[in-house]
Amino acid sequence: EVQLVESGGGLVQPGGSLSLSCAASGFTFSDYWMSWVRQAPGKGLEWVANIKHDGGEKHYVDSVKGRFTISRDNAKNSLYLQMSTLRPEDTAVYYCARHGGPVGDYWGQGTLVTVSS
Amino acid sequence: DIQMTQSPSSLSASVGDRVTITCRASQGIGNALAWYRQKPGKAPKRLIYDASTLQRGVPSRFGGSGSGTEFTLTISSLQPEDFATYYCLQYYGYPRTFGQGTKVDIK
Repeated sequence: EVQLVESGGGLVQPGGSLSLSCAASGFTFSDYWMSWVRQAPGKGLEWVANIKHDGGEKHYVDSVKGRFTISRDNAKNSLYLQMSTLRPEDTAVYYCARHGGPVGDYWGQGTLVTVSS
Repeated sequence: DIQMTQSPSSLSASVGDRVTITCRASQGIGNALAWYRQKPGKAPKRLIYDASTLQRGVPSRFGGSGSGTEFTLTISSLQPEDFATYYCLQYYGYPRTFGQGTKVDIK
């Protein structure tokens, strides 16, 4: 059974940093692109970043470029999102999602990041 | 960036109704479009990809059509579990962009 489990969310002050993790199981992690997608409270979905199977290609939405870094460790079946210089508008539930074809044939349950003083 | 515009933003319907949601792209995206259903407090679930390919395990009452700039999600007979919010996503270009969502609630 495919499972994606996010962790690392929490409360952080504006300008702070946080690192999210997504533990994958039930499939060959190194065969798939992976994405992070977020959803601000009461708002729609926003794609944040994705990464190729081998980590050799990464893409970001403009609003997080230079502040967020997506990475993966295929030996540990894990996806990461390092977030720095956080802003209140980064407050959201962050989902990791597998690309079976395009993004999102499987999703994690999400982890909430709150940026507030 | 490619802008995705969904219509309507919300609709009210009854169980058994036929429902149609439209997604328009600001430029041609071929058939690089997916549809998702999201229930409150839950992760999205992919229904359709490549504009018209039904995700494995998704009921056949869901159908997708379109190409280029105009796309449609049709639910042929609305079921209780279909009262939710629906999103389209283009994956033709970067950044990937979602529509703003269509909330389907009970009439």
